[in-house]
Amino acid sequence: GAVVSQHPSRVICKSGTSVKIECRSLDFQATTMFWYRQFPKQSLMLMATSNEGSKATYEQGVEKDKFLINHASLTLSTLTVTSAHPEDSSFYICSARGELTEAFFGQGTRLTVV
Amino acid sequence: AQKVTQAQTEISVVEKEDVTLDCVYETRDTTYYLFWYKQPPSGELVFLIRRNSFDEQNEISGRYSWNFQKSTSSFNFTITASQVVDSAVYFCALNFVSGGFKTIFGAGTRLFVKA
Repeated sequence: GAVVSQHPSRVICKSGTSVKIECRSLDFQATTMFWYRQFPKQSLMLMATSNEGSKATYEQGVEKDKFLINHASLTLSTLTVTSAHPEDSSFYICSARGELTEAFFGQGTRLTVV
Repeated sequence: AQKVTQAQTEISVVEKEDVTLDCVYETRDTTYYLFWYKQPPSGELVFLIRRNSFDEQNEISGRYSWNFQKSTSSFNFTITASQVVDSAVYFCALNFVSGGFKTIFGAGTRLFVKA
């Protein structure tokens, strides 16, 4: 299957700082990328959907100003957690789909805010 | 409404036992895709299977088998002769056209396989 690379796999940041997570489709053009969040021992919840060159569509309850999503190219989407706080600590995972209907998932990023 | 229900929160079995993980879905779409993913303790999602709504053929892959029944909106997953390495959280997921192909996950079933 297609490969989606997510970076970094783990990050620790100080409270109040911002952290950027990258999601890259390595061998296909991703017209749509999805960002999910997973709290410990819970399921994955969709945060937002981004289409290349367009503003992201956020799910209800997700703060747009807190979770900035950029999908500037067909192979890269970024999620920036701004002014991170301990409650933002979570597992973030992206998925990308292109011409195929199936979406491929990245490896995920474990964010810890201290 | 689009929904995936995994009623089993946790299952514990002894090695070599067979175990079935249940998945029931709801969707108004006629075209949709169902998935099973494995999430080991390391956290990454491991793709296991994809099935589209027009293909009800059951599938077997080694010790894994899947039973897709549209009549009951179920997509159950059976592990035969379970092994300790099968211990993980398993997610059933629904991908549907009217949602722009976003994926909705069930709550997950945590499987413990004891030696």
